[in-house]
Amino acid sequence: EPEVTQTPSHQVTQMGQEVILRCVPISNHLYFYWYRQILGQKVEFLVSFYNNEISEKSEIFDDQFSVERPDGSNFTLKIRSTKLEDSAMYFCASSEGQGQETQYFGPGTRLLVL
Amino acid sequence: AQKVTQAQTEISVVEKEDVTLDCVYETRDTTYYLFWYKQPPSGELVFLIRRNSFDEQNEISGRYSWNFQKSTSSFNFTITASQVVDSAVYFCALRNNNAGNMLTFGGGTRLMVKP
Repeated sequence: EPEVTQTPSHQVTQMGQEVILRCVPISNHLYFYWYRQILGQKVEFLVSFYNNEISEKSEIFDDQFSVERPDGSNFTLKIRSTKLEDSAMYFCASSEGQGQETQYFGPGTRLLVL
Repeated sequence: AQKVTQAQTEISVVEKEDVTLDCVYETRDTTYYLFWYKQPPSGELVFLIRRNSFDEQNEISGRYSWNFQKSTSSFNFTITASQVVDSAVYFCALRNNNAGNMLTFGGGTRLMVKP
């Protein structure tokens, strides 16, 4: 069964450093998403991406964040200058379409900013 | 605006007990979609079920069943004869038809099933 994959599974970085989180969505899916979950809290939407552009983003997704689909398979989230409060689990998701289509999540990348 | 409330932050049961996880949602849209996801201790989010606002039929899948009631804006999840492997955090989520593609999640319910 096809699944969303994410690398790395864990990342530790120093405050102020740039990090890139990588995702490979399910191959026939057209919509891609990033969510984050601060430890012990709810899952929060960051951004959705379709047709090589951002379709919507939340207030959390400020200028420090960017997304890219550098090739036909990868979907990345970059945090330019990490802060302590960026420590969280970051989930990538994809869906075949929009509307009622289910978003399938990857296993997550646990980011720790020191 | 949309909101999902899971009032039970933590539930503990003994194996073989039935347990119901509550989910109450708020939305102004008439067309929306409801989801349940399971987050086991390993951390991934596993899709369990999707429901459309115009389909109020309850659903059963093995030991899992879902009760969708528009009149009370609730989409509750029942596990029958719980097992230790059911121990996880369960999230209810909502997507409005007119609010883009974002999922709004509830705070989650941590279910602990003891042997």
